[in-house]
Amino acid sequence: GAGVSQSPRYKVAKRGQDVALRCDPISGHVSLFWYQQALGQGPEFLTYFQNEAQLDKSGLPSDRFFAERPEGSVSTLKIQRTQQEDSAVYLCASSLGPGDEQYFGPGTRLTVT
Amino acid sequence: AQRVTQPEKLLSVFKGAPVELKCNYSYSGSPELFWYVQYSRQRLQLLLRHISRESIKGFTADLNKGETSFHLKKPFAQEEDSAMYYCALSGKGTGANNLFFGTGTRLTVIP
Repeated sequence: GAGVSQSPRYKVAKRGQDVALRCDPISGHVSLFWYQQALGQGPEFLTYFQNEAQLDKSGLPSDRFFAERPEGSVSTLKIQRTQQEDSAVYLCASSLGPGDEQYFGPGTRLTVT
Repeated sequence: AQRVTQPEKLLSVFKGAPVELKCNYSYSGSPELFWYVQYSRQRLQLLLRHISRESIKGFTADLNKGETSFHLKKPFAQEEDSAMYYCALSGKGTGANNLFFGTGTRLTVIP
């Protein structure tokens, strides 16, 4: 079937606005990861879900960042009161299980003006 | 703490020449190492992982625990190898298996 999909692909937000980024993992994949990739950098881990349980959120940079996966499938990453330093590509990845190959989505490029 | 270092941001080689992309890591436990590749206008994808010991698209990488390195090598570069390459590690036994990436090396193969 289709790979990991993310929407929107591009988002421009004014500073202070809230944004919601969506990830549709590969069907049946238990594990879901969010990464943040700033310009010129490698992806950095944000948070991890196993089914609907958020098992690791150690990479979330501040309490303005919130992620959920209520039914163990689609996940949403929400950023409140966006700041310029939040500008980055947000990548979602899913894997069949915790130690399996991670398949990445195309990313959402967020620009905060 | 874990750290992945890719010292070269840019690397250019001629077609048919050997290529080596360097990767060094630091990790207190026993990590699993990966190479990911991103071709132009495509998504990030796994190239190879050290536990599989496979050769993918002619690339190999050997984990050297003494030097804490996982360099990516190919004896004869092809134009289609031009891409962004990221070295990454995952801590075994952490459960989450989230990846820690280096900053990447952009490889250009000159025809």
